[in-house]
Amino acid sequence: NAGVMQNPRHLVRRRGQEARLRCSPMKGHSHVYWYRQLPEEGLKFMVYLQKENIIDESGMPKERFSAEFPKEGPSILRIQQVVRGDSAAYFCASSPLGQLGDEQYFGPGTRLTVT
Amino acid sequence: SQQGEEDPQALSIQEGENATMNCSYKTSINNLQWYRQNSGRGLVHLILIRSNEREKHSGRLRVTLDTSKKSSSLLITASRAADTASYFCATSGGANNLFFGTGTRLTVIP
Repeated sequence: NAGVMQNPRHLVRRRGQEARLRCSPMKGHSHVYWYRQLPEEGLKFMVYLQKENIIDESGMPKERFSAEFPKEGPSILRIQQVVRGDSAAYFCASSPLGQLGDEQYFGPGTRLTVT
Repeated sequence: SQQGEEDPQALSIQEGENATMNCSYKTSINNLQWYRQNSGRGLVHLILIRSNEREKHSGRLRVTLDTSKKSSSLLITASRAADTASYFCATSGGANNLFFGTGTRLTVIP
C-alpha cells in the first residue's frame, strides 16, 4: 500500500512562471490537506479538500494560489506568477475519514525554488 | 492563533540519554499529535493524545498532556543517533486541519 505520493520532489521556477504540484493520497483516503513549510519553521495549513470539493481554504493566499482534487487523478496545488517568497517546501497529507483531529499521513513534499 | 510552540528550539544530547521536548498551545483542543521530520523529508506521525488523556506511551516515547496549562511534553528514552530529527507538535481544535509548532531540532551524538 503506497503512501502519499508527491511530485515533483524538487521544482525550480523563474519569477512569473507557474508551478503545479501534485499529490496522490493514500489508497482509500478521500481527504487531502496542503501545508507549506518555510525554512526553519513549522508547517502552515493552506487548504483542505475532498473529492471535487474545497472544504477549507482559509490558509491559502487569495491571489495566485488555487487547489483542486478532481474525481479522478491527483490533487493539484497551482501557483501562478510565482515570486521568490513562494520558495518553500509544500507538503500534502491525506486522511481516510476527515474526522476532526484525524492522524494525517504526509507525503515527502515538493521543494519549490523560485529564482 | 492556535499554533503550538515547542521548547527548546534545539537540543543536543549524547546517545543513551533521554530527550524531553515541550509544547505549549493557546486554545482548547480535541487532541494533540507529535510528528518527526528528518532533514529534507516529510513528516512521520509518532503519537496522538486526546484531550481527555493525560499520558500515553509508545515504545520509547512518552507523551503527557496538561490541558489546564495548555502544554504537552514528549520524552524519548534511551536516545539513539537515528532519533536525530526535528519534532513538531500539532493541535486540532474545531477544524480538520492541524496547527503545527515551530519544532525542536534534536541532535543525538553517537
